[in-house]
Amino acid sequence: GAVVSQHPSWVICKSGTSVKIECRSLDFQATTMFWYRQFPKQSLMLMATSNEGSKATYEQGVEKDKFLINHASLTLSTLTVTSAHPEDSSFYICSARGTGRNTGELFFGEGSRLTVL
Amino acid sequence: SQQGEEDPQALSIQEGENATMNCSYKTSINNLQWYRQNSGRGLVHLILIRSNEREKHSGRLRVTLDTSKKSSSLLITASRAADTASYFCATDGGYQKVTFGTGTKLQVIP
Repeated sequence: GAVVSQHPSWVICKSGTSVKIECRSLDFQATTMFWYRQFPKQSLMLMATSNEGSKATYEQGVEKDKFLINHASLTLSTLTVTSAHPEDSSFYICSARGTGRNTGELFFGEGSRLTVL
Repeated sequence: SQQGEEDPQALSIQEGENATMNCSYKTSINNLQWYRQNSGRGLVHLILIRSNEREKHSGRLRVTLDTSKKSSSLLITASRAADTASYFCATDGGYQKVTFGTGTKLQVIP
């Protein structure tokens, strides 16, 4: 199956700093990527849909200025948590829609665990 | 917002037994997918069933879909300790959005 790489896998930062998380589709082109957030022992909550070459579509309640999404190429989407605070600590997961014979299937990165001190 | 609800929330069985998880959703879908997540890791796609399909098999997995009841079930037969994980259903209502259910935490006791 297709491979999605997410980096970094974990990051610890001080309150007030910004953190960038990368999501790459390694062996296919992804016009659409999704960013999810997962709190401990809970399900994945869709934050935004990232479309290559256009603005991301954010879910209700997700602050656009807080969570900046850039999908500059067909293989890379980035999520930047700006001015991070402890309440932003979470597990962030990206996914990309498969193409070709994998059409419809979502491929997930391994996730990035953010801890804000 | 979440589309799906799963039950049970947690399930503990002995190795060798079958495990059944159910998922209910609210709106019409193009397909429904099941994923597995080991603790602290990303998700692994297990199986996709399209809205015009009623049942699908993959190895020890069997998925059913009842669009009239807006529900799906995942059956894992002859469970193994390595099947211990959280299982999520995800509904795809169109090209843009895939939303996840609340998940079932499965523990298989050796």
